[in-house]
Amino acid sequence: GAGVSQSPSNKVTEKGKDVELRCDPISGHTALYWYRQSLGQGLEFLIYFQGNSAPDKSGLPSDRFSAERTGGSVSTLTIQRTQQEDSAVYLCASSLVLASEDTQYFGPGTRLTVL
Amino acid sequence: QKEVEQDPGPLSVPEGAIVSLNCTYSNSAFQYFMWYRQYSRKGPELLMYTYSSGNKEDGRFTAQVDKSSKYISLFIRDSQPSDSATYLCAMIVSGGGADGLTFGKGTHLIIQP
Repeated sequence: GAGVSQSPSNKVTEKGKDVELRCDPISGHTALYWYRQSLGQGLEFLIYFQGNSAPDKSGLPSDRFSAERTGGSVSTLTIQRTQQEDSAVYLCASSLVLASEDTQYFGPGTRLTVL
Repeated sequence: QKEVEQDPGPLSVPEGAIVSLNCTYSNSAFQYFMWYRQYSRKGPELLMYTYSSGNKEDGRFTAQVDKSSKYISLFIRDSQPSDSATYLCAMIVSGGGADGLTFGKGTHLIIQP
């Protein structure tokens, strides 16, 4: 079946612009996660959704970052007023349920470059 | 000190060699341990998953966990050029998944033909 998909695959933007990154999880997966992968920091966890709810936003790097999920499916990560330090690969993952032991399946990522 | 330490490499070995990849961690609350493989410009792909101390084998791959030493390993036997990738260890505490996975920085592995 289809895996996790993300769009766009690449995004180049100018400093100060807003960007939206999209994630389509595996059908039927109720839990969805966003991670960021950068050269210096490695892969870091940002936020999770159980259904449409994101109870803990403390992992988001700044208040310029927001995320939402609608219909228990598609999620968007929005970065406002982008900065050069936001340049990274943004990865989305989904799992059947929100449980430590449940496998997280990753999408191919969106490579964001802020000029 | 980072929660999870992993040597970034690169680690270069000849085809057919046994590869050993390792991570150490500091948080004793981690209960589930994974190894992901990531090819260039692709998302991480789950290779191995363990939750208890000991060994788990799957084909050419063996995952080893030593919770008393806070040390995990991945062994690759009969390594192939197609195994060239970045290998990420990951771990998570027990209790709901809300903390997300904590990753090592990844080891870049090169298998020379």
